Formats: sequence, structure tokens, C-alpha cells
Amino acid sequence: DGGITQSPKYLFRKEGQNVTLSCEQNLNHDAMYWYRQDPGQGLRLIYYSQIVNDFQKGDIAEGYSVSREKKESFPLTVTSAQKNPTAFYLCASSTQGQGGYNEQFFGPGTRLTVL
Amino acid sequence: AQSVTQLGSHVSVSEGALVLLRCNYSSSVPPYLFWYVQYPNQGLQLLLKYTTGATLVKGINGFEAEFKKSETSFHLTKPSAHMSDAAEYFCAVSRYTGTASKLTFGTGTRLQVTL
Repeated sequence: DGGITQSPKYLFRKEGQNVTLSCEQNLNHDAMYWYRQDPGQGLRLIYYSQIVNDFQKGDIAEGYSVSREKKESFPLTVTSAQKNPTAFYLCASSTQGQGGYNEQFFGPGTRLTVL
Repeated sequence: AQSVTQLGSHVSVSEGALVLLRCNYSSSVPPYLFWYVQYPNQGLQLLLKYTTGATLVKGINGFEAEFKKSETSFHLTKPSAHMSDAAEYFCAVSRYTGTASKLTFGTGTRLQVTL
């Protein structure tokens, strides 16, 4: 079955630690995205990548970093510089096409809690 | 800049009653519009999307939405609610930047279905 996997499902972090969230897709999609979800705020875009070895900042990139070394993988690192990292993190992917009509497919999410 | 407003953070309906979830958008170009559903602690699933053509769009699980340009609206409806429809619903507008498709989400509407 094609889809997007995220791991771990739950993650606990101590203050001052960096943590990396995994996102893998086998849909052969060129584009991948990371969103942060907080109660009552919808989803906000952290980073996105349209092609291997290239990525762009979204609306709330401060305190986060990403890499895109393989088409299938787009890991997100939450650094100690992120002041309020406790949230639900969602990864998505889509085909790449001009026009903006491409559906994004979402993974099951990772819930990060800072202790 | 594009934006989405979802009126009502919580909506409660009786089983069998009409479901109406409101979405208004702001866009300087013809919009591509999406409705997603999220069940607790899960990722988002596409319900339906409007790109071009017919303004009444039918989606999964009996949902439909009508694009009304004059009202800048894309409200989601379902004639008869089922208990399994209880979830959070997100409206989103897509924009193509020239290099990437970016989604802007509303803050979501939580649908409660009562007996």
C-alpha cells in the first residue's frame, strides 16, 4: 500500500534537546511538507521541499531544520531554539505541478511533548 | 495574500440532521479549494476539492460543497449526519508560487453528532 509513514507516533523531549521526526513516503511524490498543528490554530507550514536537495522555509520555520537527501524522506529536526515545541506535527506529500491544484496526502502525525 | 475563515469552531447536530460547515476565502487569483477531515490523533484525509469546472463538488462519505465566487464561499454540507462524521474539518485554499503549491488552512470546525 502506498502512503506516508511518520515515526515515532509519540515523542517526549527534555528542554534543550534536539529531536528528529521521521517522514517517509512511497507515493513517488516530488513535493513534501511539514506542518505544525496547535489547538484552535489549524495547520501552519514549517518547511516544504519540491525536489531532492532543495527546500524552502514556510511560515514558522524558526527553531526547525530539515533535509531532503532522498525523494522518499523528509526528516524534521526540532531544535532547542524552538521556544514552544509541544504540538502535533504532520508531514504531507504531493505531486508537483503548476497551478496549485495538487492534493496533499498526509501522514498520521507525531505528537511531541516537551517535559 | 490568501486566507480562509471557518465560521464556528464547534458545530453540534443531531444524527440524521443536515450538516453545514462554513468556509469563506480570500484570494487575489482564482482559488483552488479543499476540505479535509481529521479524526482524533490522526492525519488529514481529503474530502473533496474544487479546481475548475462544476461549482458543486461531490466528495467522499456523502459530503459536497458548492463554490460561490460572488460570496467567496465554499461551504461543506451533508444531508444527513451520521455518528461516524464526528471529527474536525478543515477548509484550505491553495496558491501556486511559481515553484511550489502552498496550502493555507482555516482554524478548523469540530463537528459533534448527538443521538
